Amino acid sequence: EIVMTQSPATLSVSPGEGATLSCRASQSVNTNLAWYQQKPGQAPRLLIYGASTRATGIPARVSGSGSGTEFTLTISGLQSEDFAVYYCQQYNDWPRTFGQGTKVDFK
Amino acid sequence: EVQLVQSGAELKKPGESLSISCKASGYSFSGYWIGWVRQTPGKGLEWMGIIYPGDSDIRYSPSFQGQVKISADKSLTTAYLQWSSLRASDSAIYYCARHHGLGRSSGLYSSFDFWGQGTLVTVSS
Repeated sequence: EIVMTQSPATLSVSPGEGATLSCRASQSVNTNLAWYQQKPGQAPRLLIYGASTRATGIPARVSGSGSGTEFTLTISGLQSEDFAVYYCQQYNDWPRTFGQGTKVDFK
Repeated sequence: EVQLVQSGAELKKPGESLSISCKASGYSFSGYWIGWVRQTPGKGLEWMGIIYPGDSDIRYSPSFQGQVKISADKSLTTAYLQWSSLRASDSAIYYCARHHGLGRSSGLYSSFDFWGQGTLVTVSS
């Protein structure tokens, strides 16, 4: 199965700053890559699909890029609601797999 | 409005059977793949499998094949996740989630766009 590796495990950021999260696939997933945000006690929420397409209602300060094995989620001007755990997921191969998550917390 | 509403928390003993449900509304249930994801503190999010309610085609992760059963009832617009004999290691939060893409083929390679609220399953003697 494809192993998704996210880095860093934790990212400490001050409000207003930017954050860059990485996701690496053990083999190519083309652009069949999604990013989700999860807050404590809540279900994951789709942010990005197709590696770079924002889901409905996601602000423009959230962006995704990459293809093949290397992907990036960038959040500019972090707001309080952005402090959460972020997961990547590939849906190119079976079984679909998630990364282990990156926690974005207050610096 | 698309909604996935899951059944409530369960406390079961090892060896017992269990079925949890995911009631869908606000969209054409038969036309979208719907799946299950397990979340545990130790292993994070794990993709378990998906079902296409239109024809009950099911794709399981090898890690869960034979351990659980995924099904769907079109008339009730409800998906199910079932165990015949629970183990302590099945303790987790289980989420149902809908695929983003419409249709059997075009929706197969798709992310999850709507999620249920999660069902906490605790298996303990």
